[in-house]
Amino acid sequence: KQEVTQIPAALSVPEGENLVLNCSFTDSAIYNLQWFRQDPGKGLTSLLLIQSSQREQTSGRLNASLDKSSGRSTLYIAASQPGDSATYLCAVTNFGNEKLTFGTGTRLTIIP
Amino acid sequence: EAGVVQSPRYKIIEKKQPVAFWCNPISGHNTLYWYLQNLGQGPELLIRYENEEAVDDSQLPKDRFSAERLKGVDSTLKIQPAELGDSAVYLCASSGRVNEQFFGPGTRLTVL
Repeated sequence: KQEVTQIPAALSVPEGENLVLNCSFTDSAIYNLQWFRQDPGKGLTSLLLIQSSQREQTSGRLNASLDKSSGRSTLYIAASQPGDSATYLCAVTNFGNEKLTFGTGTRLTIIP
Repeated sequence: EAGVVQSPRYKIIEKKQPVAFWCNPISGHNTLYWYLQNLGQGPELLIRYENEEAVDDSQLPKDRFSAERLKGVDSTLKIQPAELGDSAVYLCASSGRVNEQFFGPGTRLTVL
């Protein structure tokens, strides 16, 4: 059974700093990995999708990497802004099963 | 392009009452998902549809939960009767060929 872990559960950093969020998964036979952000009381917004054949994806100030062999992904946020404050969730899809298995998220607070 | 639409956004009912949630996926997305999200947790899949066929309902509590996707577009998730433990956010998502999942804003259910 796939298990996804995100550490730390919460993180606070000053505005302008670069930061890294971590995600690990137990079954490396993944089809893809997705990073989402969730604002309080809202749904999930897809940030980046990495296919199993890819090593990284970039969108603006966000860069996600994938290392299947070690079962890890990182989300790098450059030049953080207060608007980046949210909960960030990673989720994986395994081959043969299209459901997403989620971590419990990292609650990020950017301090102005 | 419109995103995934869900209604209602909030619902408060007394235990043992029935409740229904509605979802309209992104146009052209054949795959539709219903997820359940408890406070502080990542979403967990309840049911997945490919067009009008439920292809994964293994996590759906079938004694009280039911779902349908008529004509392979809109979907309805029903709970009857609702229990206190059903209080949560119910999220609908859809995906196209690439399997990147896009989520709606969710329905926050409170059972009193």
